[in-house]
Amino acid sequence: SQQGEEDPQALSIQEGENATMNCSYKTSINNLQWYRQNSGRGLVHLILIRSNEREKHSGRLRVTLDTSKKSSSLLITASRAADTASYFCATGVGKLIFGQGTELSVKP
Amino acid sequence: DAGVIQSPRHEVTEMGQEVTLRCKPISGHNSLFWYRQTMMRGLELLIYFNNNVPIDDSGMPEDRFSAKMPNASFSTLKIQPSEPRDSAVYFCASSLLADTISYEQYFGPGTRLTVT
Repeated sequence: SQQGEEDPQALSIQEGENATMNCSYKTSINNLQWYRQNSGRGLVHLILIRSNEREKHSGRLRVTLDTSKKSSSLLITASRAADTASYFCATGVGKLIFGQGTELSVKP
Repeated sequence: DAGVIQSPRHEVTEMGQEVTLRCKPISGHNSLFWYRQTMMRGLELLIYFNNNVPIDDSGMPEDRFSAKMPNASFSTLKIQPSEPRDSAVYFCASSLLADTISYEQYFGPGTRLTVT
């Protein structure tokens, strides 16, 4: 079974709005990672948050981690059409297990 | 650095033929991962190597699939014989040594395999 599960499966917003994606996982983690995949491309690493961190920022990205709830969220602020992609969370020791992803569509 | 290099980018073959996918990881990375992505099953880890040694091949579908890493700069994933259900995009990724912890992975562009 998947280690990480994203929610929602699909999200459609207007440019300029914020997008929030959630991830739940099952077992203890050392860190949790978020990746983006544009259509037809390989995954690109966005951000890594360690188990002892609660929040991390990178540009317009904000990631939170709640280890007590085994959940994480990815917030993209002031979204752009170029943010249209699938977003995956991943956890694991050694190997990463990816969720099914959230498909984000940002309309101009 | 050129990033992770995969070849070919596209492969169309007939059922029963042998298919070999190739990957060159980023120099200095000691972990290499092979994934398969389909609409139905999402992104699946097939096998991963640490320091050229296979660590976990539990995701390899069946004996028709095999993977090798003869040196730190090259890996192959072979399917023999291929079947239509093997049609998917196959990704290779590399990272710093991933044993007790996972590091960010760098993905190649993928090989889109179509088996007719």
